[in-house]
Order: sequence, then C-alpha cells, then structure tokens
Amino acid sequence: AIQLTQSPSSLSASVGDRVTITCRASQGISSALAWYQQKPGKAPKLLIYDASSLESGVPSRFSGSGSGTDFTLTISSLQPEDFATYYCQQFNSYPREITFGPGTKVDIK
Amino acid sequence: QVQLQESGPGLVKPSGTLSLTCAVSGGSISSSNWWSWVRQPPGKGLEWIGEIYHSGSTNYNPSLKSRVTISVDKSKNQFSLKLSSVTAADTAVYYCARVQTYCSSTSCYEDGAFDIWGQGTMVTVSS
Repeated sequence: AIQLTQSPSSLSASVGDRVTITCRASQGISSALAWYQQKPGKAPKLLIYDASSLESGVPSRFSGSGSGTDFTLTISSLQPEDFATYYCQQFNSYPREITFGPGTKVDIK
Repeated sequence: QVQLQESGPGLVKPSGTLSLTCAVSGGSISSSNWWSWVRQPPGKGLEWIGEIYHSGSTNYNPSLKSRVTISVDKSKNQFSLKLSSVTAADTAVYYCARVQTYCSSTSCYEDGAFDIWGQGTMVTVSS
C-alpha cells in the first residue's frame, strides 16, 4: 500500500505569509494527487487535483506542484479564512487504492 | 448540482453492524463516477473505506475489507455502507463522496479526487 507523509504536521503563520506544505509518497504516483482543506465540523473541500490543477471556484492563491513522490501545496498570501487543516490524497488505478496523508494544521501565529 | 446526504443510526453497539446510506440528489448514481465512503475518527485524519460503481463493482481498503460491504440501489439513487463487528475504534464521522470524472463523447477520465462530499454523520460505537 502506498503511504503518504506530510510536513510539517502543524505550523503557525500570519495573514499575508507564504505557506508551503509538503506531501511525500512511498512510491511514485505520477500526478495522481489531490489537496483538501478542512475546517472544524465540516467536510473536506477539494482545492487541487492532478497535483497542480486548481478546482473551480478555489482562489488562485492556492497552487500545487510536483510529480512522482514529492508534492507541495502553496498558499501565496495566507488569508484569515485559510486557517484550517490540509490533507493530501493519492489515487492508484491498479489496484484501485486511495490514501490520505496525516494532515497539516495551519493556525494563527 | 449533485448533492450527497448520509443517514443512519448514530449509535451502534460493539460487535454489531454499522449501516449507513448516502442519497444522491441533483444527478444520477448511474453517471460515470465511483462513489466512496470516507471516515474520520474524532480529532484524527481521513481514512478511505471503499467505493462502488453503479454496475455494482466495488473496491475496498485492504485494512477494512473483511468487514465492509458497499452496495448500490439505482432505483433509489443511493448507495450504502455496512461495517460489521464494530468496536470503539470504528467511532467516527462517516462521509460519502464522489470521485471526480471527466467524460468526452468517446471516453472518461477520472483523477481520483473527491469533488463532492456529504456533510458527514457521526457514528458512535458504545454499549
């Protein structure tokens, strides 16, 4: 089974900061990686799919990059509504298998 | 637009079977999408449980496979989850979600991302 790790597990940042979160896969997954934002008591929200494609309606300050085993989610200028937990998720076609990373909590410095 | 809504008992006894249903509205469960269940224990991360296609084909998380059954009811436009022999470790918020798929006139491509989620339902395993 493919494992995902995320770093850091948590971070404190200020409004306007540039934030980068890393996700690493235990084996190559091409670009089959998504990023989600989750706020307390809410379902996750899709931000990025195919490693770097921005989901419709998601602000352009969110971007994703990477392929193979190393991926990053970047928030170019952190806004108050961005304080949340972020998860990466991989998709393997054969056999079909879906795994989430452990999450990165972004809170206010 | 497609919406998902989970329903089912909020309390299940240990060793019993957890049963949940996800109703699909605003679209057809017979579209070219896989439909999944994902859970989240209190204060913890997300775990994929499994998925189903409208044909009835299923895929399960290997760690849960022996206890999970996912089924589809096309007449009711819904799919369901059964998790047997539950313990306190199965206490979680359970979400249903749709796997994003793009279709042209000749083929479909899925990126494996969950683009639509239900609001989630909390299930507690306790006597």
